[in-house]
Amino acid sequence: DAGVIQSPRHEVTEMGQEVTLRCKPISGHNSLFWYRQTMMRGLELLIYFNNNVPIDDSGMPEDRFSAKMPNASFSTLKIQPSEPRDSAVYFCASSFRGWDGTQYFGPGTRLLVL
Amino acid sequence: AQTVTQSQPEMSVQEAETVTLSCTYDTSESDYYLFWYKQPPSRQMILVIRQEAYKQQNATENRFSVNFQKAAKSFSLKISDSQLGDAAMYFCAYRFQGAQKLVFGQGTRLTINP
Repeated sequence: DAGVIQSPRHEVTEMGQEVTLRCKPISGHNSLFWYRQTMMRGLELLIYFNNNVPIDDSGMPEDRFSAKMPNASFSTLKIQPSEPRDSAVYFCASSFRGWDGTQYFGPGTRLLVL
Repeated sequence: AQTVTQSQPEMSVQEAETVTLSCTYDTSESDYYLFWYKQPPSRQMILVIRQEAYKQQNATENRFSVNFQKAAKSFSLKISDSQLGDAAMYFCAYRFQGAQKLVFGQGTRLTINP
C-alpha cells in the first residue's frame, strides 16, 4: 500500500514568494495532520483535519499560513508571502480516527526560503 | 498539560549490542497511547512501536521492545542486536485517548559504532 505522499520533496524559494505544499493521505484514513520541524522548536503541529474539516489550527504561526483539504485524498499547506524563518521540514501525517489513531508520516518537504 | 521528556540528547552503542532509550511523560489521564518514532537521515518519520496504556504487557516488534512503567510514567525503548541501519533520531510521543494531538519529546540521537 502507498504511504502518505508529499510533494515537492524539496523547495527553494525567495522571500515574498508563495509556497504550496501538497499531501495525499493514506487511502481510507480520515484524519490529516500538518507538522513543521525545526532545530529550535522541534516538531510542531500546525493544523489537523477530520473528514476534510479543519478541527484545530491553533498551531498555525500566522495569517501567512493557510491549509485546505478539498477532498479526502488531497490537502495543501500554503505560505504567502514566505519568509526566511519559514525554512523547515514540513510533514504531513494521516490516521484512521476511531481505532488507535496511529499517525503515519509522509517523507516531508524540506523548504528553504532565501 | 501533557509533556514528554527524553533526557538523553545523544546515545551511542556498538553494533550488535543492546541500547535503551529513555522517555518519561507527565499526564493525569489514565487512557492513552505511547509511541516511538525513528527519523533516519532521510528525515522520514517511521513508526517503530506503540503501546496502549491499558495493556500491561510490553509491546515488542522484532528487535525493538519497550519497558512501560505506568505508575512511574516511563516508556523506554530497548533495541537489541543494534544494526548500522538503526542510527537515527528517536522520538517518544504521547496521545491521550480523547485527543488526536501527538505530544513529542525532544528526541535522542542514536549512533551505532561498527
